[in-house]
Amino acid sequence: GQQLNQSPQSMFIQEGEDVSMNCTSSSIFNTWLWYKQDPGEGPVLLIALYKAGELTSNGRLTAQFGITRKDSFLNISASIPSDVGIYFCAGQLRGGSEKLVFGKGTKLTVNP
Amino acid sequence: GAVVSQHPSWVICKSGTSVKIECRSLDFQATTMFWYRQFPKQSLMLMATSNEGSKATYEQGVEKDKFLINHASLTLSTLTVTSAHPEDSSFYICSGSRVNNQPQHFGDGTRLSIL
Repeated sequence: GQQLNQSPQSMFIQEGEDVSMNCTSSSIFNTWLWYKQDPGEGPVLLIALYKAGELTSNGRLTAQFGITRKDSFLNISASIPSDVGIYFCAGQLRGGSEKLVFGKGTKLTVNP
Repeated sequence: GAVVSQHPSWVICKSGTSVKIECRSLDFQATTMFWYRQFPKQSLMLMATSNEGSKATYEQGVEKDKFLINHASLTLSTLTVTSAHPEDSSFYICSGSRVNNQPQHFGDGTRLSIL
């Protein structure tokens, strides 16, 4: 089945630094989503991308839908301690009520 | 954003007990809900897709008689873990999707511990 390759697996950064993580796929997706999960909680939607080439921001977060539709990246600028958590990318072949394919996650640690 | 409520948030019970987990969409109608299982330090693993008014679609390797799913209304789906055993201990998460091509929103998960 489809798989998403998410990297890096983990990151250790200093507060204030910028962060970048990405997902790649061998399949074309028509929707890319980025979620953040805190320990013991469900994932929270950060950004949804629907068009190839689309660049979308949500506060200090910016994500892009790759032109080839096989990749996406998430950037976090000026990281703060509350950015700590696990970030997951997810793709859908079409969208809406279709099931998600998840990456394995990027664990972010921010040192104050 | 859309709100999905999951209950209970955690449960501890004896082996052989059946446990029911509820997933409600609070501010939208979810024609489709999804049930995931997550092991520590791993990604979410889709168990089944739940469609309102019809039978759930289970992923390969998920026992439908073990994990009973009911989606009787547009705002409620339930997952029942029947005759639970310690190996069923896990973090179970549901998600819901609106009708009109909107992304999935997740509940806060249920931590299930079987003794």
